[in-house]
Amino acid sequence: DVKVTQSSRYLVKRTGEKVFLECVQDMDHENMFWYRQDPGLGLRLIYFSYDVKMKEKGDIPEGYSVSREKKERFSLILESASTNQTSMYLCASSSLGRTGGGEPQHFGDGTRLSIL
Amino acid sequence: QKEVEQNSGPLSVPEGAIASLNCTYSDRGSQSFFWYRQYSGKSPELIMSIYSNGDKEDGRFTAQLNKASQYVSLLIRDSQPSDSATYLCAPPGSYIPTFGRGTSLIVHP
Repeated sequence: DVKVTQSSRYLVKRTGEKVFLECVQDMDHENMFWYRQDPGLGLRLIYFSYDVKMKEKGDIPEGYSVSREKKERFSLILESASTNQTSMYLCASSSLGRTGGGEPQHFGDGTRLSIL
Repeated sequence: QKEVEQNSGPLSVPEGAIASLNCTYSDRGSQSFFWYRQYSGKSPELIMSIYSNGDKEDGRFTAQLNKASQYVSLLIRDSQPSDSATYLCAPPGSYIPTFGRGTSLIVHP
């Protein structure tokens, strides 16, 4: 069974802090993703990675960066946290599939981040 | 940018009824679709995958994909209060996933 583990379920930080959210998957998936989810706005893609040391911007990358030094680990970094980054953050992974077109994503439990 | 549209709802159905959830998409190249269920406060979980035109049944759930009309649906038969959740549809979208905003389903006793 696929397991995507996010380091924290709840996190409270202060404005201006540098915040690290960690995600680890155990299925040797090529693709990893970071989303944020806010009421009424659905899932919004922040960054994704399809290989080690590779990263691509999603729809809302501003204020965030990512790191993928190992295949199983994908980190989201809030460079200088602001109150508008208070949200639920979801990590997901997927394999490429036989045709390279992408397979279903498997999600972690999420991190509810509050910036005070 | 691939677009996926869903009616946000809420869709309210009585227990035991059929719930019909719909999704339209703009990318004619999408070969398959995934349906996810998300309970309040939880993360999305995959419930159905459909890889070809037509219907796919799994227990009380039936997914329908119509590529010509760029339309995909999820039918839930004998709806139960435990089916109350938000349902998200998504094509695999190659490397860049695109999710609909989800339809909220409420099954009332």
